[in-house]
Amino acid sequence: QLQLQESGPGLVKPSETLSLTCTVSGGSINSNNYYWDWIRQPPGKGLEWIGSIYYSGSTYYNSSLKSRVTISVDTSKNQFSLKLTSVTAADTAVYFCARRLVARAGISYFQQWGQGTLVIVSS
Amino acid sequence: SSELTQPPSVSVSPGQTARITCSGNSLAQQYAYWYQQKPGQAPLLVIYKDSERPSGIAERFSGSSSGTTVTLTISGVQAEDEGDYYCQSGDSSGTYVIFGGGTKLTVL
Repeated sequence: QLQLQESGPGLVKPSETLSLTCTVSGGSINSNNYYWDWIRQPPGKGLEWIGSIYYSGSTYYNSSLKSRVTISVDTSKNQFSLKLTSVTAADTAVYFCARRLVARAGISYFQQWGQGTLVIVSS
Repeated sequence: SSELTQPPSVSVSPGQTARITCSGNSLAQQYAYWYQQKPGQAPLLVIYKDSERPSGIAERFSGSSSGTTVTLTISGVQAEDEGDYYCQSGDSSGTYVIFGGGTKLTVL
């Protein structure tokens, strides 16, 4: 069964870069029709899609975060990563990685999620 | 940019029917998906392609679509159904994702 696990610092200082990695086990990241996404959820608030990457390296970002976000993939390690620059307290959130199925006719939904990791931005 | 609008909260008594709506222009052309999230947990897919139920999801969960509004219906609500529910859609190529603001379902 496919599993995803987020890892990275739980505390980041304002203006610095948030870096997280998602390790995929029980399946290959080199899979057709699957995108690998990052989603975040500020405490007590809703879900916000950050962006996604295909195993080929193609990336897609939320326009509201695009200037600060980079998602990359390391197929040799079966991992994908998130970097968010110039963070502020507003970036404090639980960050989830997830696998999204994309198929014909615009089908696109999240099948598996990591457990999420809380990142606090504070000095 | 496209938006999905959900009511902030819905309350029902056990055994009653809960209906949670999600509205947005993109829903006229794109499928909607529904996720249940309980405190401290990752979201769980409960409906896909507007009305399909994944394996393992209780039959009391159903979905429907009409124009620019989709509805998640939970028939015979149980206490364990309490949580937050999010609708999700995307663009025609599947490269972008949007979530609704979420609805907190309270079982009285």
